[in-house]
Amino acid sequence: AQSVAQPEDQVNVAEGNPLTVKCTYSVSGNPYLFWYVQYPNRGLQFLLKYITGDNLVKGSYGFEAEFNKSQTSFHLKKPSALVSDSALYFCAVRDINTGGFKTIFGAGTRLFVKA
Amino acid sequence: DAGVTQSPTHLIKTRGQQVTLRCSPKSGHDTVSWYQQALGQGPQFIFQYYEEEERQRGNFPDRFSGHQFPNYSSELNVNALLLGDSALYLCASSSRDRDHGYTFGSGTRLTVV
Repeated sequence: AQSVAQPEDQVNVAEGNPLTVKCTYSVSGNPYLFWYVQYPNRGLQFLLKYITGDNLVKGSYGFEAEFNKSQTSFHLKKPSALVSDSALYFCAVRDINTGGFKTIFGAGTRLFVKA
Repeated sequence: DAGVTQSPTHLIKTRGQQVTLRCSPKSGHDTVSWYQQALGQGPQFIFQYYEEEERQRGNFPDRFSGHQFPNYSSELNVNALLLGDSALYLCASSSRDRDHGYTFGSGTRLTVV
């Protein structure tokens, strides 16, 4: 069965510093991988996805993520954090090989960016 | 361009009652997925509808049912409500023909008392 793990409940970073939010996944075949962000009392917003191709994927708001097949990881990164990046971040995976269409989400990582 | 619209935004129900939540997908999207997000947790997949049929289902009891209409809008019904059903219910739309991610609505906050 497919699963997603976000090992950190919370990440703290100073504004202007680089940030990394970690994600590892488990699927039986090739994964579709996603990152979403959630602001208070709002639905989730799509940030970026990996389907195939270049392992470094660029997304919205300056975020990027690196797909590492050997480590089954898909960490979210940003070179310089902003206070406005503070939010809840979810990694998600869809196993395309099983013919299923559901996307499984991790438990989320809360990012705090301090001014 | 309208995104995903969910109604109502908030709802309070009593244990044992039934509830219906509604979702209109983003224009151009034909697939609707429903998720339950308990406080402090990630969204849990309930089911997905495409071509008016339930295509896949998560680990939710039969008390949770749904429907998709010809205009792609969808309803989530929950019968015999339990206190544990209190959560944010998210609707996510997507297009089956394109591998884009979901577009989420802002959710319906259901409180069961």
